[in-house]
Amino acid sequence: NAGVTQTPKFQVLKTGQSMTLQCAQDMNHEYMSWYRQDPGMGLRLIHYSVGAGITDQGEVPNGYNVSRSTTEDFPLRLLSAAPSQTSVYFCASSYLGGSVTEAFFGQGTRLTVV
Amino acid sequence: GNSVTQMEGPVTLSEEAFLTINCTYTATGYPSLFWYVQYPGEGLQLLLKATKADDKGSNKGFEATYRKETTSFHLEKGSVQVSDSAVYFCARGGGAQKLVFGQGTRLTINP
Repeated sequence: NAGVTQTPKFQVLKTGQSMTLQCAQDMNHEYMSWYRQDPGMGLRLIHYSVGAGITDQGEVPNGYNVSRSTTEDFPLRLLSAAPSQTSVYFCASSYLGGSVTEAFFGQGTRLTVV
Repeated sequence: GNSVTQMEGPVTLSEEAFLTINCTYTATGYPSLFWYVQYPGEGLQLLLKATKADDKGSNKGFEATYRKETTSFHLEKGSVQVSDSAVYFCARGGGAQKLVFGQGTRLTINP
């Protein structure tokens, strides 16, 4: 029972490089989201998706792109990494319900941009 | 600004001590409220939740009551264990499936 799987676990990038953080879930959840976790700031929503083909911006979307071609996968792309994007990134998924349902989180990707 | 505010950490207690981590929120209406826990090296996992006023969420000896009068959802445990050491996040529903998190409180329990 894999749940939410994120890869890689750790990554170091140089300023200006691009990369994709992968996220996959096997629970057939409609809703998927990306958060970044920074000290003293909790988790902040980057982008989210309510189903395949549908994405929208969260609180801090600048510098990130997403796509949702399948229910299972929700990759996060950094087009040109900046030191300000050094953070821990979490992917989460949940069922769509009448009210907010339990979110299941991946183990996170620790990204350092130098 | 952040509409979920938690007590500042870190919090250090001895085993079997009583724990309270304060959480207050601002919102329009009555959102669902949550406590998530993050153990070292892991992602967040749901600890407990409450979906309406006066509801009490409970799990693993932890409790929190949804107080609309004080817009609070304080986390309590009567006797903490070393294994409770983690970071605790209060969160509220933010429309659709969005979650709005507090800044997190790091808890360390010493034997």
